[in-house]
Amino acid sequence: GENVGLHLPTLSVQEGDNSIINCAYSNSASDYFIWYKQESGKGPQFIIDIRSNMDKRQGQRVTVLLNKTVKHLSLQIAATQPGDSAVYFCAENRASGGSYIPTFGRGTSLIVHP
Amino acid sequence: DAGVTQSPTHLIKTRGQQVTLRCSPKSGHDTVSWYQQALGQGPQFIFQYYEEEERQRGNFPDRFSGHQFPNYSSELNVNALLLGDSALYLCASSLYPAGDYSPLHFGNGTRLTVT
Repeated sequence: GENVGLHLPTLSVQEGDNSIINCAYSNSASDYFIWYKQESGKGPQFIIDIRSNMDKRQGQRVTVLLNKTVKHLSLQIAATQPGDSAVYFCAENRASGGSYIPTFGRGTSLIVHP
Repeated sequence: DAGVTQSPTHLIKTRGQQVTLRCSPKSGHDTVSWYQQALGQGPQFIFQYYEEEERQRGNFPDRFSGHQFPNYSSELNVNALLLGDSALYLCASSLYPAGDYSPLHFGNGTRLTVT
């Protein structure tokens, strides 16, 4: 399944499918991007990050793609499992007064059906 | 190795009251950031503390204030509570305040309800 950013905040997939969650960021000066997973009743948990000098980074079952030309970020989850059900946030880091302050998007709710 | 811990987990206050939320950062971290997360929204940055000083501040009124202690723990204070302050307040810690690409580590938050 695929989500096209803020216009579709909920993504429903079947267990075993690949999921793609998209995110459009706003500031072309942002140079570090992070995906977080937030389960109900918990704080956001780090999944994977990518610097602006890269266009792809892979982790365990997850891949992040960065397209700086169109300011777009995506998170691909392979073989989605019920435990992947959560809200996923992308965060862009931009330098501000000597510090990096992550700015979060609204998030996408991923629902995995067994 | 303890992660970020926050207390209390839940809190109910009346409009006009004051509240103090507490956070202990992940071991080895020296920077603490606070975020407000309204229901169905992403976390919104309140402020960041490093070396016991407020280093950066988001778009929040002066009713929101904070403190960082020598042991890197931190408090968030909110005065004159409004109904709109009801939210999940998240504390996050990190290794460096600037110039380093390190993700934030979040606690599970304090759920504040203002009635």
